[in-house]
Amino acid sequence: DQQVKQNSPSLSVQEGRISILNCDYTNSMFDYFLWYKKYPAEGPTFLISISSIKDKNEDGRFTVFLNKSAKHLSLHIVPSQPGDSAVYFCAAYQSGGGADGLTFGKGTHLIIQP
Amino acid sequence: NAGVMQNPRHLVRRRGQEARLRCSPMKGHSHVYWYRQLPEEGLKFMVYLQKENIIDESGMPKERFSAEFPKEGPSILRIQQVVRGDSAAYFCASSQSGSNQPQHFGDGTRLSIL
Repeated sequence: DQQVKQNSPSLSVQEGRISILNCDYTNSMFDYFLWYKKYPAEGPTFLISISSIKDKNEDGRFTVFLNKSAKHLSLHIVPSQPGDSAVYFCAAYQSGGGADGLTFGKGTHLIIQP
Repeated sequence: NAGVMQNPRHLVRRRGQEARLRCSPMKGHSHVYWYRQLPEEGLKFMVYLQKENIIDESGMPKERFSAEFPKEGPSILRIQQVVRGDSAAYFCASSQSGSNQPQHFGDGTRLSIL
């Protein structure tokens, strides 16, 4: 039973356009969400996070939106660059209870086309 | 992924042997997490440790797997009597504190069982 779902295994976007990666979760106790980027043969690299008390967090080209009522978050990358091509993982955490590790989605492979 | 050091990067074992995976956290981090990633899957939490203490091992298989984080030296994930199904990428992460802090990952150890 997957508590964090990334329903798009892959996404292709033209360079310079906006990339939107989506993530849904089922556990309403999650209160901290993170996005990681992963290149082949490397570990995940932390990109951006958001606490459940916020609905938006922005860092440079990356913005994460959280819709608690829909249990949905999204990562916007604008403008998309060739170096953004990677697998993006959404992860969630429940503070104050539950497992202490992050719960990951299966990832979305983002391909930026020139 | 500078900072969290994992070794070896690749480890090959025959069925029945022992595998030892090592992880040195980022400087200043005292919280260590181990995750396993099977092909085409997201990362799955295994265990969370602080120095000399296992805090949460809810994701660890009940048999053959153990983890430690001694007062001195790296954290060790030990798999005894390995089987083919143990073949995976094992990632270590560290954080400054245990809640609502990004976890920073190493580049992983790829374990192959012959």
